[in-house]
Amino acid sequence: KAGVTQTPRYLIKTRGQQVTLSCSPISGHRSVSWYQQTPGQGLQFLFEYFSETQRNKGNFPGRFSGRQFSNSRSEMNVSTLELGDSALYLCASSLARGQPQHFGDGTRLSIL
Amino acid sequence: DQQVKQNSPSLSVQEGRISILNCDYTNSMFDYFLWYKKYPAEGPTFLISISSIKDKNEDGRFTVFLNKSAKHLSLHIVPSQPGDSAVYFCAASEVGGSNYKLTFGKGTLLTVNP
Repeated sequence: KAGVTQTPRYLIKTRGQQVTLSCSPISGHRSVSWYQQTPGQGLQFLFEYFSETQRNKGNFPGRFSGRQFSNSRSEMNVSTLELGDSALYLCASSLARGQPQHFGDGTRLSIL
Repeated sequence: DQQVKQNSPSLSVQEGRISILNCDYTNSMFDYFLWYKKYPAEGPTFLISISSIKDKNEDGRFTVFLNKSAKHLSLHIVPSQPGDSAVYFCAASEVGGSNYKLTFGKGTLLTVNP
């Protein structure tokens, strides 16, 4: 059974640019969540989508946005990139709330 | 405010012995708890979970214990194997609430020595 797939695996951008990251969940999973991992803050929740609707959002600025498509695939977008946005961005999918979230291997974003 | 805490940054055990990883939480609304392990350059891998209506859940070598009154959970690995060496994260969530998300601890690096 295929797992959660995130593309690209690595990305290098400069300050002020924007970036779009992609996530394909496990087949049948309709809930997709995004997390940011940094050495200082650890794993922090960005947002959750279910059936193309954002159900919850973490404490991140409006530069961070996302969406989910009808096939449950999800994208997240970060605009006006800052040095502090350098992080590992992880996507997770689950069948429903109260079920385990399964993670992809992440996209490593580096801002120069 | 760190709602999920893993107070031991690292733990070292001998192969074949028991590994016990601990996690404390402060939010009494948390009702679902999970453990993940993470190797470098990979995403977290789900290990085991427990609902707040239980106090123990077992899956092979992994057992999770939940003490709701103490707001404490632990992961037992028996017997420990060198391949278990990884960073272990504890996570918690409010399944029934509107603020559903996983809140993670900072992780514990487990090293299992041959």
